[in-house]
Amino acid sequence: GENVEQHPSTLSVQEGDSAVIKCTYSDSASNYFPWYKQELGKRPQLIIDIRSNVGEKKDQRIAVTLNKTAKHFSLHITETQPEDSAVYFCAALGGGADGLTFGKGTHLIIQP
Amino acid sequence: DGGITQSPKYLFRKEGQNVTLSCEQNLNHDAMYWYRQDPGQGLRLIYYSQIVNDFQKGDIAEGYSVSREKKESFPLTVTSAQKNPTAFYLCASSALQGARNEQFFGPGTRLTVL
Repeated sequence: GENVEQHPSTLSVQEGDSAVIKCTYSDSASNYFPWYKQELGKRPQLIIDIRSNVGEKKDQRIAVTLNKTAKHFSLHITETQPEDSAVYFCAALGGGADGLTFGKGTHLIIQP
Repeated sequence: DGGITQSPKYLFRKEGQNVTLSCEQNLNHDAMYWYRQDPGQGLRLIYYSQIVNDFQKGDIAEGYSVSREKKESFPLTVTSAQKNPTAFYLCASSALQGARNEQFFGPGTRLTVL
């Protein structure tokens, strides 16, 4: 089955700086890669996703890049703000299953 | 955030008891999922269903059971066979055929074994 590795587990950045979170996946047939943001005690919320037919997608301060050859994808947050503090999860949809496989999460801390 | 609900929000279970977690959606989604979340472990898939009266095991199905008698409902039973059931349980749903579209999550149920 699919295996997703996510790094780092904790990331602390100064407010206004950029943050990058990286994920790798194992199933070359995977074709859908969402990113979720989860605040403490709340449900995960989709913030951006990318499909395997594109290499990059942007939505205001958030962007995701995908390298299918290397089987990795990354989340980029620019001009970080205090409300960006949360746990972020990457996920991949494997070629043979219909449930997402999640990374273990990155706790993003924005320092004032 | 509306459209998919879970109950109860908190649930306490004695060892040896079965408990059932409710998940309902009014989004007319075909697919529904159950995930378990433990600290530092991310979300792990327990069961999923793409159509009424059909469901598939996920990565950690042992000790759990589900049913899908109605499109709107996908209850999860945590049986006494589940050795370490204390966790945060999240239900999700998505449109069309499976997870190739956005998954929407419910608010979760926090289960604690006493």
